Amino acid sequence: ETGVTQTPRHLVMGMTNKKSLKCEQHLGHNAMYWYKQSAKKPLELMFVYSLEERVENNSVPSRFSPECPNSSHLFLHLHTLQPEDSALYLCASSQAASGPYNEQFFGPGTRLTVL
Amino acid sequence: GQSLEQPSEVTAVEGAIVQINCTYQTSGFYGLSWYQQHDGGAPTFLSYNALDGLEETGRFSSFLSRSDSYGYLLLQELQMKDSASYFCAVRDGGSSYKLIFGSGTRLLVRP
Repeated sequence: ETGVTQTPRHLVMGMTNKKSLKCEQHLGHNAMYWYKQSAKKPLELMFVYSLEERVENNSVPSRFSPECPNSSHLFLHLHTLQPEDSALYLCASSQAASGPYNEQFFGPGTRLTVL
Repeated sequence: GQSLEQPSEVTAVEGAIVQINCTYQTSGFYGLSWYQQHDGGAPTFLSYNALDGLEETGRFSSFLSRSDSYGYLLLQELQMKDSASYFCAVRDGGSSYKLIFGSGTRLLVRP
């Protein structure tokens, strides 16, 4: 595997379900990100981890819970979601979270549908 | 508030040149970057401008004017594969890792 991978690619869940999204980066980066992409809206930054420490929590509802067990893996745990949470969830990584500009590498995303 | 404005859609003919503009209003500014995203695909990095002027990378060029809070992406010799969405993004001065994205410009290249 190369780059940034995400699983599953598609997920349909009910509002009472609990599920998790997984992201893995094979680039040796130290920073990882979760974004939400809704139709015709800008990408919204949700969470940022630098060296496994959360450095940004962008006013995201508590029904979204991130976890970063190591610098290569990032999870987004989902519970009691709402239909408006249906979107494409993108994971990204960069060499570092601060300092000179660091290009972000994105995964293919998980298309989430909440019924 | 912080915002980036770019056209929602642009249509051009194969072989032509197209310019996608981006104006921004942010509390801080550490550079303007551009990303390309094909339908169903991941956003991929195209270019980054921290200083005023034109940066050229093959068929793609990016321009920045910090005094005008304005930049553009120029695509030359358009190919069908260039049909995609293009996002400008500003690196937020308050948080060096935080990118603020525009809503994206959907480019359709016609034969």
